[in-house]
This record gives sequence, structure tokens and C-alpha cells, in this order.
Amino acid sequence: NAGVTQTPKFRILKIGQSMTLQCTQDMNHNYMYWYRQDPGMGLKLIYYSVGAGITDKGEVPNGYNVSRSTTEDFPLRLELAAPSQTSVYFCASIGVHTQYFGPGTRLTVL
Amino acid sequence: GESVGLHLPTLSVQEGDNSIINCAYSNSASDYFIWYKQESGKGPQFIIDIRSNMDKRQGQRVTVLLNKTVKHLSLQIAATQPGDSAVYFCAEKNDYKLSFGAGTTVTVRA
Repeated sequence: NAGVTQTPKFRILKIGQSMTLQCTQDMNHNYMYWYRQDPGMGLKLIYYSVGAGITDKGEVPNGYNVSRSTTEDFPLRLELAAPSQTSVYFCASIGVHTQYFGPGTRLTVL
Repeated sequence: GESVGLHLPTLSVQEGDNSIINCAYSNSASDYFIWYKQESGKGPQFIIDIRSNMDKRQGQRVTVLLNKTVKHLSLQIAATQPGDSAVYFCAEKNDYKLSFGAGTTVTVRA
């Protein structure tokens, strides 16, 4: 049981490049979330999903897209990277009595 | 040292003392609340949760209190230890969204 895994751990992008941040959980949780955390700040909700095939916007969805084709996977897509997207990205999943965050992806856009 | 009432962004506590961390939540319809601990360079780690039909829940060395009248949540840590130094966040769940409050940085003095 690995919990929530995220890849990659670190990434540097050039402005305008695209990438996908991967998130996988092995706990059969329905609820999954993507957050970004800027230095010294709290977590802001980007997108969330309540089950396979269902996604919805959070507080700061602009510049991002998600999909949820399976219960296990919830990838976050950046299409045209901008410096404002430099942040640490956390994926989380919530079950009935358990909730876990992944270790985070540190993204820098130059 | 303890802080009661107002949310403070930082809290300095003497080792062995009890700590109280406060959080004001925003949505009276929120039905589930969670406290997380975040150490430097890591993702948030679940500490304890409470449902809106409860006003108190105890764990190992931690107690969460919920006051729905004033939309206030607190985390009490008994006999604070150096390993408790971290940033603490409260989160509220409403309509599938899990939203985080401003964190409190706890520093434990030896």
C-alpha cells in the first residue's frame, strides 16, 4: 500500500512548455484533489474529482486541466506554462476515514 | 505557552507545555474538518478529524474542538515536543471541496 504517489518530484519548464503531473492512489478513494502551495502560503485548490469521469474546478483552475479516467489516477495538465505557475503541487485523496497527501511536485517555470 | 481565541500565524511554545492552535472556518455548511501538520519540504500529514455533529474528539496527545456557533476550530497538543515543530493547517469540507485555512507555524523551544 503506497498511499498517494506523485511524479515527477522536481521539474523545470520553459515558458510555453507543457507537462503532466501524475498522481496515483492505491486506496480506492473516490475523492481526489490537486492543490498548489506557493512559498510561505497555504494550499489553494486547483481541481477536484469525486469519482472516475467526474471533475470540477476549485479556486484557481485557470491554466490547468485534469482528467479522471480511473479511480486510481488523477493527472494534472499544464498546457502553456507561465512563471505564475511556479509552485509546489500536491495531490490528495480522501476515503471514509483516511486521507493522504502525496509528497509534492516542485515546479519552476523560467 | 498557549494562544486562545484569535488565529495567530506563529506560535512559540516551551517544550512540555500544551499548545492551542486556532482556526476560523468560513462556511457554516461544512460538515467535516481536518487538522494537518506540514513539515518543511513535505506534504501535509493528517493529524485528526471531526464531523460537524461532534464538538470534541481526542487522539493521541491531540484534541480537536469544534464550535459551530462561531465557526471556530482548535487543535490542542498536550506536552509539546520538538518534533511538533511544523506548520499546522485546518481544512473544511463542504460539497466535496476541501478548503484550507491559513497555517500556523509552531516552534518548540527547548
